[in-house]
Amino acid sequence: AQRVTQPEKLLSVFKGAPVELKCNYSYSGSPELFWYVQYSRQRLQLLLRHISRESIKGFTADLNKGETSFHLKKPFAQEEDSAMYYCAIPRGSSNTGKLIFGQGTTLQVKP
Amino acid sequence: NAGVMQNPRHLVRRRGQEARLRCSPMKGHSHVYWYRQLPEEGLKFMVYLQKENIIDESGMPKERFSAEFPKEGPSILRIQQVVRGDSAAYFCASSHGLAGANEQFFGPGTRLTVL
Repeated sequence: AQRVTQPEKLLSVFKGAPVELKCNYSYSGSPELFWYVQYSRQRLQLLLRHISRESIKGFTADLNKGETSFHLKKPFAQEEDSAMYYCAIPRGSSNTGKLIFGQGTTLQVKP
Repeated sequence: NAGVMQNPRHLVRRRGQEARLRCSPMKGHSHVYWYRQLPEEGLKFMVYLQKENIIDESGMPKERFSAEFPKEGPSILRIQQVVRGDSAAYFCASSHGLAGANEQFFGPGTRLTVL
C-alpha cells in the first residue's frame, strides 16, 4: 500500500543549525514526491518537488530509492522557517494529481 | 488570481445539523480535491472531483458525507447529521489536472466545530 511516514511530530533546532526533516515512503513504481509547507495562519503551499531538483528557500530534498526516503534538508535554519512541513506522494496513478500526505512535522527554529 | 477560496472559514454546528463547506478553485482549474485534518493528525484525502463528476471518493466516509462540483459554482462538501468526531479542518485544493502537472493549490481551510 502507498504510504508516507514522517516519524517526527516536532523538530526543534536553534537558528543557524542544520535541519533534516525525515520522510519515508512506500510506493510501487517511480513516485513523484513533494514537500508542502504551512506557515502560521497561512494556507498549505508547495515547497518543492523532486523532479524539479530546485532549491527553494535554501531547502533541498534528494530522493533515495534504496532507502525509500525523501528527507528535507537545510544547512542553516532561520526563524522564518518555523512551520508545519508535509511530505506527499501521488495516490494511485501519478497522472491524477491525488496525493497522500504524511502526518506532518512541526519545525520550530529558536533564536 | 485570487487563489483557491473556501468559505466559511469557521463553522459551528450542533450535533445532528448539516454542514456545507464551499470551495472555489483557482481560475482555469477543473480538478478539486478535499482533505480532512483531524486534530493531531495529518491531511487525509477524502474525494477528488472534476466538473460534474466524482472521480475518486475512496477517502469519504460511507455515510453522511457527500461532495459535488457542479458545472457552475463552487464545489460543495456536505456533511449531514454532524457528530463531534466530524470536528476538523477541511481543506480544498485544485489543480490543472494535466498529466505531469500535479501541483495542488490549497485553500485556507474551513474549521468545523461540532458542539
